[in-house]
Amino acid sequence: TQLLEQSPQFLSIQEGENLTVYCNSSSVFSSLQWYRQEPGEGPVLLVTVVTGGEVKKLKRLTFQFGDARKDSSLHITAAQPGDTGLYLCAGVPGAGSYQLTFGKGTKLSVIP
Amino acid sequence: DTEVTQTPKHLVMGMTNKKSLKCEQHMGHRAMYWYKQKAKKPPELMFVYSYEKLSINESVPSRFSPECPNSSLLNLHLHALQPEDSALYLCASSLSASGYNEQFFGPGTRLTVL
Repeated sequence: TQLLEQSPQFLSIQEGENLTVYCNSSSVFSSLQWYRQEPGEGPVLLVTVVTGGEVKKLKRLTFQFGDARKDSSLHITAAQPGDTGLYLCAGVPGAGSYQLTFGKGTKLSVIP
Repeated sequence: DTEVTQTPKHLVMGMTNKKSLKCEQHMGHRAMYWYKQKAKKPPELMFVYSYEKLSINESVPSRFSPECPNSSLLNLHLHALQPEDSALYLCASSLSASGYNEQFFGPGTRLTVL
């Protein structure tokens, strides 16, 4: 089983601050997805990265896939209270199963 | 239509009840999934349907019975559940169960077993 280690597990910051969430593995993933989930709701897909070294931007969110496709990061600039939620990374293993492997999630709280 | 819908939103049932959860998508996706999510944990895969056939059962107890009547619908039949089965049940769909497997989730059904 390929594991995704996500860090930090919890993050509480003031509005306007920047933050980075990391998703690391010792295994290669063919693609990696980032989701945001609010309490009592389903995860919402933010982005999918598939190419090593790829960088994608979604407004104040920047996603990066490592060159070796073993790690990814999510950077939020000038965090807003609306960014509060559980951020999940999920990867499709490079070989074998096509099912998603989830990280344990990062619970982000942005304080006004 | 780019969303996955789930009904009901909330469900409370006794251990002797029989109930069903429903999921629907109209994105033309051919893979559909059931996940179980406990508080503060990531989703755990239960079942995968690919082209309306059950392709993965992650050793789920038989008190959970999935059904895929057609390519747009997915049901989860519940019978004789235990209190520890209380959780958020998520349905998801993807274009296929291969490739990049970009999955889109529904809002979930919050199940409470008394």
